[in-house]
Amino acid sequence: EPEVTQTPSHQVTQMGQEVILRCVPISNHLYFYWYRQILGQKVEFLVSFYNNEISEKSEIFDDQFSVERPDGSNFTLKIRSTKLEDSAMYFCASNLMNTGELFFGEGSRLTVL
Amino acid sequence: DQQVKQNSPSLSVQEGRISILNCDYTNSMFDYFLWYKKYPAEGPTFLISISSIKDKNEDGRFTVFLNKSAKHLSLHIVPSQPGDSAVYFCAAREMNRDDKIIFGKGTRLHILP
Repeated sequence: EPEVTQTPSHQVTQMGQEVILRCVPISNHLYFYWYRQILGQKVEFLVSFYNNEISEKSEIFDDQFSVERPDGSNFTLKIRSTKLEDSAMYFCASNLMNTGELFFGEGSRLTVL
Repeated sequence: DQQVKQNSPSLSVQEGRISILNCDYTNSMFDYFLWYKKYPAEGPTFLISISSIKDKNEDGRFTVFLNKSAKHLSLHIVPSQPGDSAVYFCAAREMNRDDKIIFGKGTRLHILP
């Protein structure tokens, strides 16, 4: 069964460093998303991406964040200068149609020291 | 600002009995509701959804009920099985904002033997 894959599974970084989280969505999907979950908190929407551009972003997704689909398979989230409060589990998701029924990856845990 | 509220952080139910997970929302522009299930170290998995034009949707052991006037929905699992032990997230989508799904904080369901 096709699945969304994310790398790395866990990354530890120093505050102020740049981090890139990578995702390979399901191959025929057209809509791509990043969500995050701070420990014990709700799953928060960060950004959605369709047709090679951001379609919606949350207040969390400020200038420190960017997304890219550099080729036909990868979807990346970059955090330019990490802060302590960026420590969270970051989930990539995709779907074929805009139905809300998202297929999530297993997540990338980011720890900022 | 919690637009989707799951007020019970956890729930314990005997195997074979009915599990009822509740969710309240505040945004009257929500027109589509979803439940996701999450096991540890995995991403959320879509379970069942309901459009705001319906009041019930059933899929096997899972039924979602929607009470629009009360801005309340519930997920019923019957009979509950050990594999149902997980965190359940209620989620909602706003009309004409297809790209953003808003999640609640989740309810951890324990199925007791």
